[in-house]
Amino acid sequence: AQTVTQSQPEMSVQEAETVTLSCTYDTSENNYYLFWYKQPPSRQMILVIRQEAYKQQNATENRFSVNFQKAAKSFSLKISDSQLGDTAMYFCASAGNAGNMLTFGGGTRLMVKP
Amino acid sequence: SQTIHQWPATLVQPVGSPLSLECTVEGTSNPNLYWYRQAAGRGLQLLFYSVGIGQISSEVPQNLSASRPQDRQFILSSKKLLLSDSGFYLCAWRGIASNQPQHFGDGTRLSIL
Repeated sequence: AQTVTQSQPEMSVQEAETVTLSCTYDTSENNYYLFWYKQPPSRQMILVIRQEAYKQQNATENRFSVNFQKAAKSFSLKISDSQLGDTAMYFCASAGNAGNMLTFGGGTRLMVKP
Repeated sequence: SQTIHQWPATLVQPVGSPLSLECTVEGTSNPNLYWYRQAAGRGLQLLFYSVGIGQISSEVPQNLSASRPQDRQFILSSKKLLLSDSGFYLCAWRGIASNQPQHFGDGTRLSIL
C-alpha cells in the first residue's frame, strides 16, 4: 500500500518569486514512480513533472524541478519565477511498479499574487 | 498525438436514476484506462482500472460499475444513483509501460438531487 501526504493545504507566492511545495510518501515497493499534477480552476488534471525512484538525478521541466530525497521519502516541487497561470491545486502522486495504483495526496492550493 | 475525450462535462441527475459516463481515447492502442472520483477540495480516489477489453479491476466497493466494450472506450455506470455519488469524475489513460504517467480527461461534474 502507498500513502502520500501533502502538509500544506494552501500557499501563496508573489509573481516572479520561487515557491516549494512539500510532499512525503510511504511505499513498500522497491521501484516506484512519483508525479506532480496541477489542477487549475478549469479542473483539468495536468502532468507537471515525474520522477522514477531508481534515478538519483532530480527531474526538471523548465521552471519546475523536484527535490527527491529517497531515504527521507520526500518529493518536493519547486516552482521558479512563479507566474499567474501557476495558480492551481497541486497534487503529489505515487505509483508502484505496476503503475496502476496511482495514489494522490490531498493537494496544496497555490495562489500566485501579482 | 493521443487525446482523451470524456462526456458529458456536467450532469445533474435525480436520486435513483441511472448513470452512464463515457470516455474514449484516440491515437493509441491497448491503453490502460482509469476512472477516478474527486470530492470537493480533495484528492483523487481510484474507482476502476482496465488493462484490456472486458478486464475491469475495482478498487472501492460502491454503487458504481465500469465496462470496457472496446479497446479505447471506458464507461462508468450506475443502475441507481445515490446522493453520495455526487462529485467530479475523471477518466485517464496510460500507455503499457509502467513508468508512463497517466493522462486525464477534462472530467464530468455530477450533481445528484
